[in-house]
Amino acid sequence: DTAVSQTPKYLVTQMGNDKSIKCEQNLGHDTMYWYKQDSKKFLKIMFSYNNKELIINETVPNRFSPKSPDKAHLNLHINSLELGDSAVYFCASSIQQGNTEAFFGQGTRLTVV
Amino acid sequence: QKEVEQDPGPLSVPEGAIVSLNCTYSNSAFQYFMWYRQYSRKGPELLMYTYSSGNKEDGRFTAQVDKSSKYISLFIRDSQPSDSATYLCAMKGGGFKTIFGAGTRLFVKA
Repeated sequence: DTAVSQTPKYLVTQMGNDKSIKCEQNLGHDTMYWYKQDSKKFLKIMFSYNNKELIINETVPNRFSPKSPDKAHLNLHINSLELGDSAVYFCASSIQQGNTEAFFGQGTRLTVV
Repeated sequence: QKEVEQDPGPLSVPEGAIVSLNCTYSNSAFQYFMWYRQYSRKGPELLMYTYSSGNKEDGRFTAQVDKSSKYISLFIRDSQPSDSATYLCAMKGGGFKTIFGAGTRLFVKA
């Protein structure tokens, strides 16, 4: 069983479209994260939820909206996609909000054309 | 100045060599110091973490934290071709936000 699973693995879409990425963890962790990794491999946090509550909200365009229906799921919806949104998006989880990100998903490679 | 500085490499070593990977940081509030390994087209994998200062050893891997110098290191002994990957240092403080270094690409030649 995969600890942190993301779908889809690859996403190719046109500018202006709206898309969602889903993440699920089966570890019973309280905290989940969304990270963006750019073409230079730089990994930067976007959002973090602790037990369904938003605790970290970095300077991200408001076209990006996270949703956590329960503590095992964290989804990312992106409106009006732009070329600059092309990147790999990773979901991660930690036991609690002060702990290290213990597990990452395999990533969603988003390409906007 | 970035909060976390890491030389992106690439670093190329022969099999069996000792590898030293390093990061420096500027934020004194960091308490957790982590090393992740990322293979191509995969997610980062937590290798080791240290809370506050000191050393930690796990098999061929040793992590060191020197808070007085704001410097952390990861040593890999008897390096193997399977160790070829990007190694990311990361740090977390009281604000619960983790800051990652740029990652160092390591190639271990057979």
